[in-house]
Amino acid sequence: GAGVSQSPRYKVAKRGQDVALRCDPISGHVSLFWYQQALGQGPEFLTYFQNEAQLDKSGLPSDRFFAERPEGSVSTLKIQRTQQEDSAVYLCASSPGQNEQFFGPGTRLTVL
Amino acid sequence: KQEVTQIPAALSVPEGENLVLNCSFTDSAIYNLQWFRQDPGKGLTSLLLIQSSQREQTSGRLNASLDKSSGRSTLYIAASQPGDSATYLCAVMTSGSRLTFGEGTQLTVNP
Repeated sequence: GAGVSQSPRYKVAKRGQDVALRCDPISGHVSLFWYQQALGQGPEFLTYFQNEAQLDKSGLPSDRFFAERPEGSVSTLKIQRTQQEDSAVYLCASSPGQNEQFFGPGTRLTVL
Repeated sequence: KQEVTQIPAALSVPEGENLVLNCSFTDSAIYNLQWFRQDPGKGLTSLLLIQSSQREQTSGRLNASLDKSSGRSTLYIAASQPGDSATYLCAVMTSGSRLTFGEGTQLTVNP
């Protein structure tokens, strides 16, 4: 499996619950990105890591969103106290540098 | 702030037609431009990457061009097939490595 993997693929949460979404990037890729894609829209940038350093988190919509990549490989996007407007597909991408980004299949989050 | 626009939003063509998808962006200070394909319920598949210093890239029946000064790119699909049916997304990379996406063109190729 050489591609980016994400888990879970689908997540249903009740409003107010916390969720954690996982991304396994392509081995050796130093850059990792999270994007949010609402239904019928293009993906929107959330945050960017270079190795374990979070270099840009300007796209995170609120302080309920938190991302980490503690060992410079796997990353977790955590959403606290989920709201209905958080329902979207969350896409993870990795890149060997400042170049082509490779995307995972996404996690579809539905908040009821 | 970088904005990316894709025209048309949807396109339906008979099999075998050649077609052009359009992408425009407001800030010409880009590092590269990437075209993606997205099938329903799936992630993004990278089709072509054009560096800012390049004018075009080709892969099989696909050809993408870039005119950075005018803020435009086109994706040309030759001899379209039903399997080409998908949403096509254009994205530009600006400072900080983030991609800014258009809203996509939903393509249907009818047998």
